[in-house]
Amino acid sequence: DTGVSQDPRHKITKRGQNVTFRCDPISEHNRLYWYRQTLGQGPEFLTYFQNEAQLEKSRLLSDRFSAERPKGSFSTLEIQRTEQGDSAMYLCASSLGRTLEAFFGQGTRLTVV
Amino acid sequence: AQTVTQSQPEMSVQEAETVTLSCTYDTSESDYYLFWYKQPPSRQMILVIRQEAYKQQNATENRFSVNFQKAAKSFSLKISDSQLGDAAMYFCAYRGRVARQLTFGSGTQLTVLP
Repeated sequence: DTGVSQDPRHKITKRGQNVTFRCDPISEHNRLYWYRQTLGQGPEFLTYFQNEAQLEKSRLLSDRFSAERPKGSFSTLEIQRTEQGDSAMYLCASSLGRTLEAFFGQGTRLTVV
Repeated sequence: AQTVTQSQPEMSVQEAETVTLSCTYDTSESDYYLFWYKQPPSRQMILVIRQEAYKQQNATENRFSVNFQKAAKSFSLKISDSQLGDAAMYFCAYRGRVARQLTFGSGTQLTVLP
C-alpha cells in the first residue's frame, strides 16, 4: 500500500502521560500536514511541514504539542501531559509540490482517560 | 479568517436518486480553492471533487458535480444516481491560494437508503 499510513490506529492513555504518533506520507510527497478531528466536527489544522521545515503552526498547537519531520520523511506528533480535551482523531495528510490534492491517512484515535 | 459552514448535519437519499449537499464559506480572498471530501466510516478521507475559484465552469466528476456560486459564496455538491457506497460523512473544505492548509466545515452525514 503506497498511501499515507499512521501508527498507532488507536491509543488509550491516562491523563498526564505523554503520547507520540507517527505518520508516513506518500514517499515522494514533500508536504505533510497534521489535523485534529473531534467527534461530529471537521478536521482542524494543527501544523504543516515542507520537507523537514515546520512552516506553520495553528494556535490550537499548544506548547504541550510538538511535531517533527526529520529528514523530510516521516513525521511524529507528541503530546505531553495529556488532558481529556486532547481526546480526538489525529489525521495526517501529505501532498506533492503545487498539486491541490492532499491525501489523508486513516488517523490515530486518542482517548485520554 | 476563513470559515466554512455546512448547515445540514444529516441527509438521506434513496438509492438511484439525486441529493444535494450545501456548503457556504466566508473569505476576503478572490483566488482560492474549494473541495468536497468523503470520509467513510473508519476509513480515510478521500477527495471527491475540487473547484478553482477563477474557473466559472462548475466541476464534474462522473456522478458528482458542484454548483459554485462565487458571489453568493456557495459551493454545493450534487450526487446523481446515488449508490450505497456513497454513504459517508462529506466535508466541504476551503484553501486559499497562498495558504497550504484546508479549512473544513463540520460535515454532512449522508445515508443512502436501499
